[in-house]
Amino acid sequence: DADVTQTPRNRITKTGKRIMLECSQTKGHDRMYWYRQDPGLGLRLIYYSFDVKDINKGEISDGYSVSRQAQAKFSLSLESAIPNQTALYFCATSDLPIAGGYTDTQYFGPGTRLTVL
Amino acid sequence: ILNVEQSPQSLHVQEGDSTNFTCSFPSSNFYALHWYRWETAKSPEALFVMTLNGDEKKKGRISATLNTKEGYSYLYIKGSQPEDSATYLCAFFVGAGSYQLTFGKGTKLSVIP
Repeated sequence: DADVTQTPRNRITKTGKRIMLECSQTKGHDRMYWYRQDPGLGLRLIYYSFDVKDINKGEISDGYSVSRQAQAKFSLSLESAIPNQTALYFCATSDLPIAGGYTDTQYFGPGTRLTVL
Repeated sequence: ILNVEQSPQSLHVQEGDSTNFTCSFPSSNFYALHWYRWETAKSPEALFVMTLNGDEKKKGRISATLNTKEGYSYLYIKGSQPEDSATYLCAFFVGAGSYQLTFGKGTKLSVIP
């Protein structure tokens, strides 16, 4: 079974609809992240969470919200979807840095392809 | 926002050829540099994490070097195979309390049989 799962894998929705993307992990990691990928652009960070009580905005958080329901679950919501939110969305997890180091290797889910019409 | 540049954006090589590409990143406040391999329709997977100037990492035919003083890393693939076709991403690890990865746009490698 995959360590990081995302649901749904594909979603088509209409402008103005509320949509939630879900991420679950069995790696036991404290840190979770949401990224979006657009053609020609790198992965851009939307939100990240270092534990259940810690939520932080990333580079492009406008129009998105998140919920960290448990250590293993991190959801991304689009309150009112718009066409320029059409993208490939990735969830990722990482463990705490090794003491004295800052490696923070991230483990990615399979992605959710979202289309907003 | 940090600037992480990768070049070239894409390249095509013949099977058996060796190739390399570059990641440039800020040379100040360096913490770590990551390389990820992203195959089409799959998830990005970590290749290397490099933390020290002069670091060299190797995994099979793929290797990477790091120069933190001048702010660049090279990824080398020796004897490219079709299964090496993927997008190779580098990411600069931002410390100083935020602990975020800033990704480059990637180099898309296509290996022609």
